[in-house]
Amino acid sequence: AQRVTQPEKLLSVFKGAPVELKCNYSYSGSPELFWYVQYSRQRLQLLLRHISRESIKGFTADLNKGETSFHLKKPFAQEEDSAMYYCALSGYNTDKLIFGTGTRLQVFP
Amino acid sequence: DVKVTQSSRYLVKRTGEKVFLECVQDMDHENMFWYRQDPGLGLRLIYFSYDVKMKEKGDIPEGYSVSREKKERFSLILESASTNQTSMYLCASIGSYNEQFFGPGTRLTVL
Repeated sequence: AQRVTQPEKLLSVFKGAPVELKCNYSYSGSPELFWYVQYSRQRLQLLLRHISRESIKGFTADLNKGETSFHLKKPFAQEEDSAMYYCALSGYNTDKLIFGTGTRLQVFP
Repeated sequence: DVKVTQSSRYLVKRTGEKVFLECVQDMDHENMFWYRQDPGLGLRLIYFSYDVKMKEKGDIPEGYSVSREKKERFSLILESASTNQTSMYLCASIGSYNEQFFGPGTRLTVL
């Protein structure tokens, strides 16, 4: 079955600390993986996708097919990173996204 | 910039009422989606549409229907609202490179 698992509901860190939001997936094939973010009182928006291999707002995510993971990382967290983060998967030849349950990141000053 | 708008930010309805949630996108996207967002459950797909008058059930279609009469508009209908349909409803359309663009959401409360 296709599934996205985000094991942490809440992750709290202090400003300047490294951050890793975990995402594991289950998919028989080659999926496309995404991270979406929702800041307080804002709409859900794309943060990054594995295909583009880019760093957005200091965040990176590497697709590890062996471990079926797509963890989101940032070396030094900022207060403005506080938000809800969703990992999502799209299968081959489909536009549908399967979302994880989300992780709320709190960055304290 | 892609703009996805939803007709209401907050809505309060009574059990048994018929509820219409409207979504409009202005980028000529073919595919549109309706999700509900609940704490601890993430986003779950209710219905999606890949063309005018075309629709397909998502993961939790029970109690919902949809209408897509025009390309830019995708409506979610609760035929007879129930308290377990109290939720945040998000509409999205999909553009290039599989990026989904979301509306601001409608928080529906069913009393």
